[in-house]
Amino acid sequence: DARVTQTPRHKVTEMGQEVTMRCQPILGHNTVFWYRQTMMQGLELLAYFRNRAPLDDSGMPKDRFSAEMPDATLATLKIQPSEPRDSAVYFCASGLTLGRFPGELFFGEGSRLTVL
Amino acid sequence: EDQVTQSPEALRLQEGESSSLNCSYTVSGLRGLFWYRQDPGKGPEFLFTLYSAGEEKEKERLKATLTKKESFLHITAPKPEDSATYLCAVQEETSGSRLTFGEGTQLTVNP
Repeated sequence: DARVTQTPRHKVTEMGQEVTMRCQPILGHNTVFWYRQTMMQGLELLAYFRNRAPLDDSGMPKDRFSAEMPDATLATLKIQPSEPRDSAVYFCASGLTLGRFPGELFFGEGSRLTVL
Repeated sequence: EDQVTQSPEALRLQEGESSSLNCSYTVSGLRGLFWYRQDPGKGPEFLFTLYSAGEEKEKERLKATLTKKESFLHITAPKPEDSATYLCAVQEETSGSRLTFGEGTQLTVNP
């Protein structure tokens, strides 16, 4: 059963610490997204990659967030330094985009981050 | 900028009481409209994609429809297991693969 795998599922850290979240997309998918979900803002797009190349990271605070895809099986989202306002659930999603029509996105279970 | 507005924010139904959820959108060119279901503590789960006005798709008790300005998710004779948050998202012609999500409708179906 193919699924998107995210680690860690839960993370509690103190303000100023570095946080790294990892995502293993579904094998064969060529598009990977990072979303953040909070009660106030709903689901916000942070960044996404196609064929491992970053296409859009306009939703990400550039001074503290970074997203990478070192290979086709791993996407990372790093926050350094973390702040309390970063507390949220971070979702990774992957999909297969072919030509004009978008494919469905498959979401992971999320990484719940709490910054104290 | 893409705008996606869902209503109502929350909906309580009795088992068997049919209803509809609304998703209004403002985009310069719609590539696709998506419906997702999200259970507490889980990631969103894909339900439907609609591409053009007039299109309809069905899955069990759910039916999604699309017009040029909005989409409806009709729930026929809901059961308690249909309780979840339903999210609508749009993909615009010039936005690449980006999806813009609405805030969701939290549906509760009481037995």
